[in-house]
Amino acid sequence: GAVVSQHPSRVICKSGTSVKIECRSLDFQATTMFWYRQFPKQSLMLMATSNEGSKATYEQGVEKDKFLINHASLTLSTLTVTSAHPEDSSFYICSASNVDSWTEAFFGQGTRLTVV
Amino acid sequence: GQNIDQPTEMTATEGAIVQINCTYQTSGFNGLFWYQQHAGEAPTFLSYNVLDGLEEKGRFSSFLSRSKGYSYLLLKELQMKDSASYLCAVRDGDYKLSFGAGTTVTVRA
Repeated sequence: GAVVSQHPSRVICKSGTSVKIECRSLDFQATTMFWYRQFPKQSLMLMATSNEGSKATYEQGVEKDKFLINHASLTLSTLTVTSAHPEDSSFYICSASNVDSWTEAFFGQGTRLTVV
Repeated sequence: GQNIDQPTEMTATEGAIVQINCTYQTSGFNGLFWYQQHAGEAPTFLSYNVLDGLEEKGRFSSFLSRSKGYSYLLLKELQMKDSASYLCAVRDGDYKLSFGAGTTVTVRA
């Protein structure tokens, strides 16, 4: 099946710094990728939809200036958490769909972000 | 936004059957997914339904009724490794995937 690779799997950063998370579709072209955040014992909450070559669409309540999304190619989307604070500590997961086959949405491995 | 409801927790015995129900209300519908998620890991795809009826995949089956906004995931011959959170997710008319809160299934020996 299709593979989505997310990197890094874990990152610890100091408060006030920025962290970049990469999401790559390894064997298919993903015109659309989705970024989710999951707090402990809660479900995945959609943050934004990343479209190749255009601006991301953010869900209500998600600060677009804080969570910068770039989808520069059909196989790579990045999420940058800017000026991170401890409350940004969470599990961030990306997913991608292949427009030729909408029967699955493939997830990356997730990134555990801890801001200290 | 979307409204997706599923039970919080279920407990069953090894070898038994458990059915996890999911009801939803969405603007547009482009498929319903079930995922399994172990603690600290990303979700793993289990099943996809877009037409009414039952989809069977080994020990796991998923059912959909679009008119009722209802789905269930059936886990048969439960094994200890099936202890996990099971997420119901619906893809809406904009192809965005929204998740339910998840059902934690505990399998006891």
